[in-house]
Amino acid sequence: NAGVMQNPRHLVRRRGQEARLRCSPMKGHSHVYWYRQLPEEGLKFMVYLQKENIIDESGMPKERFSAEFPKEGPSILRIQQVVRGDSAAYFCASSPARVEQYFGPGTRLTVT
Amino acid sequence: EDKVVQSPLSLVVHEGDTVTLNCSYEVTNFRSLLWYKQEKKAPTFLFMLTSSGIEKKSGRLSSILDKKELSSILNITATQTGDSAIYLCAVEARGNYQLIWGAGTKLIIKP
Repeated sequence: NAGVMQNPRHLVRRRGQEARLRCSPMKGHSHVYWYRQLPEEGLKFMVYLQKENIIDESGMPKERFSAEFPKEGPSILRIQQVVRGDSAAYFCASSPARVEQYFGPGTRLTVT
Repeated sequence: EDKVVQSPLSLVVHEGDTVTLNCSYEVTNFRSLLWYKQEKKAPTFLFMLTSSGIEKKSGRLSSILDKKELSSILNITATQTGDSAIYLCAVEARGNYQLIWGAGTKLIIKP
């Protein structure tokens, strides 16, 4: 059973471009969470999704950020018009039942 | 506001020492507390503690939940250089979809 997969592992974008981060949960997991980790800081919750539904997006900035978890395919975290402050590691976690979360390797986004 | 505080923020010890990491929380309607180990990649799950399971042990690692003191400790005995990592504590509240994360304790084990 493959673990949580994220791609790309590293992503470099120029200011104003769009960043798309993908997360494939573990088989059988229907809960997906996205977190952001800034250097020297803890994980910050962004959004919690189940298949085709956003359950809680209270940690996600209202502008430029969006997330989806379609019926088929990976969950996508999309950041439009990236700025330098978006540079961070973005982790996805999946869970079969909401609490015990299994993390992917993360995507390190660098905005130049 | 719900919060989770870990201490110390960083810790340097020698191989073979025993370390104790602390996690305290102020959370409405506590449900569970989780410990994770983060090396240069994603956090890996260590333990989950609840009201019905306040003590867990796995090899050299053990953890206890003190619901009265609203805290938990993570003990590592006979430390090894491979234990060097950031140890994260997270708390789940009933009715809340989020895990509230501490900032972590950076543990460095010197050979």
